[in-house]
Amino acid sequence: DTGVSQNPRHKITKRGQNVTFRCDPISEHNRLYWYRQTLGQGPEFLTYFQNEAQLEKSRLLSDRFSAERPKGSFSTLEIQRTEQGDSAMYLCASSPRTGGDPEAFFGQGTRLTVV
Amino acid sequence: DAKTTQPTSMDCAEGRAANLPCNHSTISGNEYVYWYRQIHSQGPQYIIHGLKNNETNEMASLIITEDRKSSTLILPHATLRDTAVYYCIVSVFLSNFGNEKLTFGTGTRLTIIP
Repeated sequence: DTGVSQNPRHKITKRGQNVTFRCDPISEHNRLYWYRQTLGQGPEFLTYFQNEAQLEKSRLLSDRFSAERPKGSFSTLEIQRTEQGDSAMYLCASSPRTGGDPEAFFGQGTRLTVV
Repeated sequence: DAKTTQPTSMDCAEGRAANLPCNHSTISGNEYVYWYRQIHSQGPQYIIHGLKNNETNEMASLIITEDRKSSTLILPHATLRDTAVYYCIVSVFLSNFGNEKLTFGTGTRLTIIP
C-alpha cells in the first residue's frame, strides 16, 4: 500500500472553468476526508465520507463544489466555475472507521491555481 | 471541537529536545489530543495522540497535564528534518465510530537550527 494518492498534484486553470480532483485512499479505509489549505493557514475541513455516504459538509463547501465517492473507494472533488479565491491546496485524508486506530493519513495534496 | 492555542513559532538547536506547548482549556472528557506536523509542500503527518496518560512512540512523547487543559509535544533529539509546522488538535475519537473531522489551527512553525 503506497498511502493516499491524489491527482493531479498541480492544476492551473482559468477563472470560470471546471476542475476535478481525484483521491485514492488507503485500501479498506472507510472514512475519506477533503480539506482545503490556503497559504499560511492550517487545513480547513470541507467534507467527509463513510464508505459512499457523504456524512458532513462544511459551510465552506459552496454550491459550486461537489464531492463524490461512488463505490466507497476513490473520491472526486469537482469545482465548477472556478474563482480566484478557490486557489489553494486541496488535501485528501483517509482513516479506518473502527479498529482503534485514530490516525488520519493525508495525501500530498492537489495545488490549484486559478488565473 | 475545542480550540487550541499554540505559539506561532519556535526555534530549537539541532540535537536538543524540542518542547512544543499547547493549551486546550475547554477540552471535553471524550476528546483526545492529537499532534500532526506538516513539512513544506506535503500533507500533514500524524505524530502522536493521547487522552489522559503520557504517551511515547518512535517519533515523540506527549505530556498531558492532569487537568488535561494543556499538553507538550517533545521531540527528544531534534534534527533538521523536524523543521515543520506542528498542529495540536483536540477531537473526539470513538472506537466504534472512528475519527471525527480534525480542526486545525495555524500551528507552531518549528525551525531546527544547525
